[in-house]
Amino acid sequence: AQTVTQSQPEMSVQEAETVTLSCTYDTSENNYYLFWYKQPPSRQMILVIRQEAYKQQNATENRFSVNFQKAAKSFSLKISDSQLGDTAMYFCAFMRDTGTASKLTFGTGTRLQVTL
Amino acid sequence: AAGVIQSPRHLIKEKRETATLKCYPIPRHDTVYWYQQGPGQDPQFLISFYEKMQSDKGSIPDRFSAQQFSDYHSELNMSSLELGDSALYFCASSSTGGRSYEQYFGPGTRLTVT
Repeated sequence: AQTVTQSQPEMSVQEAETVTLSCTYDTSENNYYLFWYKQPPSRQMILVIRQEAYKQQNATENRFSVNFQKAAKSFSLKISDSQLGDTAMYFCAFMRDTGTASKLTFGTGTRLQVTL
Repeated sequence: AAGVIQSPRHLIKEKRETATLKCYPIPRHDTVYWYQQGPGQDPQFLISFYEKMQSDKGSIPDRFSAQQFSDYHSELNMSSLELGDSALYFCASSSTGGRSYEQYFGPGTRLTVT
């Protein structure tokens, strides 16, 4: 079974600053996908970024980027130029590569507060 | 772009009653997932369907059942409701084409059992 650990229950960052959210996972699989989802107060789950384990290049989506360290089983999310709208719960998620889509296993989340 | 649609958005039921949650996936998505998110918790996988066949099963109580219909919409049926079933229920959909496997979530159905 896979486990996902987010060791930072809460974090705070000032607007326009950069913040990094940590995530580690445990798996015996070699092929898998990692995701970050954002859940704002509306409770909607929004996909932020995806990383394929077979890719060495770190994924980037505008102000969001990841630092994927496969050997260390680490997958951190960096948010640059933080905005008030980034205030949300952030979940790290793992998915096995089974050849078809499979379930997501989530971490317990990090609550991020962006302040003025 | 079209998103995942869930209905109803809010549902209040009493203990021992039955509830049916509906999910309409993004057009051309072939896989549907159901997740349950309790208060202050992360989403927990319940069940999934690929091309109308059950593809995986998680921590879904025997009181719950689900299916995917020919038009790809899915329904989660919950019977003998308990107080502990109060949660946010998400449906997500994905497409196996292109191997991106990204799951897109609906807005959720908030179920309150009293």
